[in-house]
Amino acid sequence: ETGVTQTPRHLVMGMTNKKSLKCEQHLGHNAMYWYKQSAKKPLELMFVYNFKEQTENNSVPSRFSPECPNSSHLFLHLHTLQPEDSALYLCASSQDTGQLQPQHFGDGTRLSIL
Amino acid sequence: SQKIEQNSEALNIQEGKTATLTCNYTNYSPAYLQWYRQDPGRGPVFLLLIRENEKEKRKERLKVTFDTTLKQSLFHITASQPADSATYLCALFTGTASKLTFGTGTRLQVTL
Repeated sequence: ETGVTQTPRHLVMGMTNKKSLKCEQHLGHNAMYWYKQSAKKPLELMFVYNFKEQTENNSVPSRFSPECPNSSHLFLHLHTLQPEDSALYLCASSQDTGQLQPQHFGDGTRLSIL
Repeated sequence: SQKIEQNSEALNIQEGKTATLTCNYTNYSPAYLQWYRQDPGRGPVFLLLIRENEKEKRKERLKVTFDTTLKQSLFHITASQPADSATYLCALFTGTASKLTFGTGTRLQVTL
């Protein structure tokens, strides 16, 4: 149990669907992150939120839309995705965005785009 | 651009031996470097953080070194066990303070 819960664990969707990924952390952290992990590639940072404010958008296409209603919850809204968006999407949290803070990851949502 | 390189080939070692994994980076001078473990179907788990002024850091059977001249970190697991089999990732902050950049990871397989 990492303290970071992601749902759903698996998602299959068509390119025209709209779906959302959910992340919840029970660690009292103030920073939350979305990462994309594709086969044979390193984890790719997508978005960073610190105290509910977005502080980093790593040139992510607008078909991915994050939402952070409070410090414990993070969503990733998906629409009109492409086959290359199939990947493992990982959520993480940390006490803050400082460099001394380790990140705590959920177990991810495995997304498949048909 | 910043590159973080880890051996993409899997490392196979026998139980009881010491496993050594390498992380090399270019074009940056990080103040801290982190190591994570990732099991199949799971998210990464933080293991150790080492600062630039620390040459070596230990935690139980784990040892990390950080050579800022060589731009390299080595990750050692002594007395390795089959349960140590996993992918090990190194990571460092690049650019803005909040951006943690990961290497591709090295898969370690410990056999009996």
